[in-house]
Amino acid sequence: DIQMTQSPSSVSASVGDRVTITCRASQGISSWLAWYQQKPGKAPKLLIYAASSLQSGVPSRFSGSGSGTDFTLTISSLQPEDFATYYCQQANSFPTFGQGTRLEIK
Amino acid sequence: QVQLVESGGGLVKPGGSLRLSCAASGFTFSDYYMSWIRQAPGKGLEWVSYISSSSSYTNYADSVKGRFTISRDNAKNSLYLQMNSLRAEDTAVYYCANLLLWFGELSHFDYWGQGTLVTVSS
Repeated sequence: DIQMTQSPSSVSASVGDRVTITCRASQGISSWLAWYQQKPGKAPKLLIYAASSLQSGVPSRFSGSGSGTDFTLTISSLQPEDFATYYCQQANSFPTFGQGTRLEIK
Repeated sequence: QVQLVESGGGLVKPGGSLRLSCAASGFTFSDYYMSWIRQAPGKGLEWVSYISSSSSYTNYADSVKGRFTISRDNAKNSLYLQMNSLRAEDTAVYYCANLLLWFGELSHFDYWGQGTLVTVSS
């Protein structure tokens, strides 16, 4: 099984800050990585797929990069609606998710 | 627009059974792999199962293998999850989602339903 490890588990930031979340796979997954945003009581929302492809309708302040085992999600300038929990996900043979990163207001 | 609407959740005793349904609309359901993903209260996301567009392939997480069965009815645009021998640790919100392929490989979950809560407790 491929394990996905996100860091940090939680981060505090302010509106306008640049934030980076890291996801590491236990073995290489090429570029088969997606990122999701989840707000309390809501279903996850797809942000990025194939490591760096922005889902339609997602603001351009979100970006993804990486390949192999190391990936990042960057939010270039935090907006109030971005405070949420973020998950990475791979689907090499079957899907697995990272444990989540909670982005909180400082 | 795309809609996925889950139903069938509720309170069930340990060892009991429940059948979840997911009604799809706004896209060609028969073209897509579909999946169930769950989230225990206050916890992260856990993939449960997926089924190919024609029902030829299914796969399950080890935690539910042998107890849960995924199925679909393309004529009814519906996805199902039959859950047997339920345990307390199956308590979660269960989401259905479409699972996209990218260059022929399993890739990501595009659209998600709002979820249905399953509580396993005596």
